[in-house]
Amino acid sequence: EVQLVESGGGLVQPGGSQRLSCAASGFTFSSYWMSWVRQAPGKGLEWVAQIKQDGSEKHYVDSVKGRFTISRDNAENSLYLQMNSLRAEDTAVYYCARVRYGSGSIWDHWGQGTLFTVSS
Amino acid sequence: DIQMTQSPSTLSASVGDRVTITCRASESISSWLAWYQQKPGKAPKLLIFKASTLQNGVPSRFSGSGSGTEFTLTISSLQPDDFATYYCQQYNSYSLTFGGGTKVEIK
Repeated sequence: EVQLVESGGGLVQPGGSQRLSCAASGFTFSSYWMSWVRQAPGKGLEWVAQIKQDGSEKHYVDSVKGRFTISRDNAENSLYLQMNSLRAEDTAVYYCARVRYGSGSIWDHWGQGTLFTVSS
Repeated sequence: DIQMTQSPSTLSASVGDRVTITCRASESISSWLAWYQQKPGKAPKLLIFKASTLQNGVPSRFSGSGSGTEFTLTISSLQPDDFATYYCQQYNSYSLTFGGGTKVEIK
């Protein structure tokens, strides 16, 4: 069974940094693109970042470019999101999601999400 | 970035009703459109991709159509489990973008 378990959520002050993690199991992690998608409280979905199987290609939404870095460790079956220069508008539930194989950038498995709040 | 606009934002319907949700793209995305269902406090679930292809395990009462800039999600006979929020998403180009969502409520 595919499982994606996020961790690292919590409360951080504006301007601070945090790293989110996603532990993957139940599939060959190194064969899939992976993404982070977020959802601000009471709002819609927003794609944040995406990374290729070997980490050689990364894409970001404009609002996080230069502040967030997506990475992965295929030996540890883990996905990461390093978030710097945090702003109140980064407050959201952050989901780790697996890109459906061979179908383009859509997500067929999601984690349960981790809530991350930026506030003083 | 490609903007995705869904309508309506809220829809009130009864069990057994036929429901249609529309999604419009600000430019042509060919058939690179997906639909997701999300229930409160839960992660989204992929329903349809490539505008009309049903994801494995999704009931056949769900269907999608359209190409270019206009797309629809149809639920042929609304079931109690279908009351949720639905999102469209384009994957023609980065940045990947979602519509604002359509909440399907009980009438």
